[in-house]
Amino acid sequence: QAQLQESGPGLVKPSETLSLTCTVSGASIRGYYWSWIRQPPGKGLEWIGYMHDSGASNYNPSLKSRVTLSVDTSKNQFSLKLSSVTAADTAVYYCARRVTGNDAFDVWGQGTTVTVSS
Amino acid sequence: EIVMTQSPATLSVSPGERATLSCRASQSVSSNLAWYQQKPGQAPRLFISGASTRATGIPARFSGSGSATEFTLTITSLQSEDFAVYYCQQYSYWPLTFGGGTKVEIK
Repeated sequence: QAQLQESGPGLVKPSETLSLTCTVSGASIRGYYWSWIRQPPGKGLEWIGYMHDSGASNYNPSLKSRVTLSVDTSKNQFSLKLSSVTAADTAVYYCARRVTGNDAFDVWGQGTTVTVSS
Repeated sequence: EIVMTQSPATLSVSPGERATLSCRASQSVSSNLAWYQQKPGQAPRLFISGASTRATGIPARFSGSGSATEFTLTITSLQSEDFAVYYCQQYSYWPLTFGGGTKVEIK
């Protein structure tokens, strides 16, 4: 059974780059689509983008210019980089696996809180 | 972008009663609709996809219905563990979008 664990700095300064990693255990990262989803404090969910180990990717247009996703099959990890962050990027960041055959998310990490502040 | 609107924002229900949650899409998403449950401090959990197919391990008291722009999540005989926030998500169009959530609270 796949388990996901996010990791990365909990505090990022404005204008800097947020970097998070999601480590997949209990399953191979190959053959699936992996997403990042975020949730600002007290608010709803926002899909950031997804990536496949084949290189296929898709991004939320609202964030596309600032987002880089990557997959490292040797480490069974995938990563998020979000550049030029502001306070509006403060959120709990989740990594999640896409359901095979549709674009719902059946496995989620526990989430990691990232605060943007000087 | 498809806008997902959930109503009501908060639903107060007594244990054992029935809860009906609504989700409306700004344009047709066919049956490409998922429901998630989220409890405080936890990640969302997939409950239903394809508008009506329960995920593995989800009790039969949860049922989803609807298509196109109108969807419903029904919880019959609410149990204590069902009090949570529920989100709908469309996956018919990019970007994938979520509703604002319905909080089901104890009356």
